[in-house]
Amino acid sequence: AQKITQTQPGMFVQEKEAVTLDCTYDTSDQSYGLFWYKQPSSGEMIFLIYQGSYDEQNATEGRYSLNFQKARKSANLVISASQLGDSAMYFCAMREGYGGSQGNLIFGKGTKLSVKP
Amino acid sequence: DAGVTQSPTHLIKTRGQQVTLRCSPKSGHDTVSWYQQALGQGPQFIFQYYEEEERQRGNFPDRFSGHQFPNYSSELNVNALLLGDSALYLCASSFPGTSDSYEQYFGPGTRLTVT
Repeated sequence: AQKITQTQPGMFVQEKEAVTLDCTYDTSDQSYGLFWYKQPSSGEMIFLIYQGSYDEQNATEGRYSLNFQKARKSANLVISASQLGDSAMYFCAMREGYGGSQGNLIFGKGTKLSVKP
Repeated sequence: DAGVTQSPTHLIKTRGQQVTLRCSPKSGHDTVSWYQQALGQGPQFIFQYYEEEERQRGNFPDRFSGHQFPNYSSELNVNALLLGDSALYLCASSFPGTSDSYEQYFGPGTRLTVT
């Protein structure tokens, strides 16, 4: 069963506007972490933001915020004031378990974001 | 402070051959994870090394093996290469400690092409 679902293969956004990238997840664990990574064409995965399953407040990191709806098992990424440099693939990922004992990330298939000038 | 480094950047091999990919973790990190990313897909977890031992393994055949050295650097070996092994291989390092929010720092990857 697919554990991370990203339903938007590609998205377009106008420069300076906000955009939401969707992510839903499936787990039976009570403890888990949710991550968003950005992958430019160079290939390197760049960490953007993290949300723990027990965190009551939505995570924010600069222009990035994570809209965490636990009951719906969704963890959407919101990018405010889009910039041309935001054009890239974006991956949602989950780590089940807590702490260092469960290390691997489970990734979705990604969303390709294109920012138009 | 150097981040995660991987070598080589690109590699072309023939079906049936063997390949070794290398990774040096970010300074201070003791855990190395390897991922395979096929074209158009998200990365898939291969295995993770900690204290020179394989701690976790994903759904990959025994043709995929690894090693971690005392300096925490790591190698990924793939034997009897198949065309389907063509992918971007990503190495990630971390220092989990007891924190749940630790992130994995990824290297730039090695692009392997099997012909």
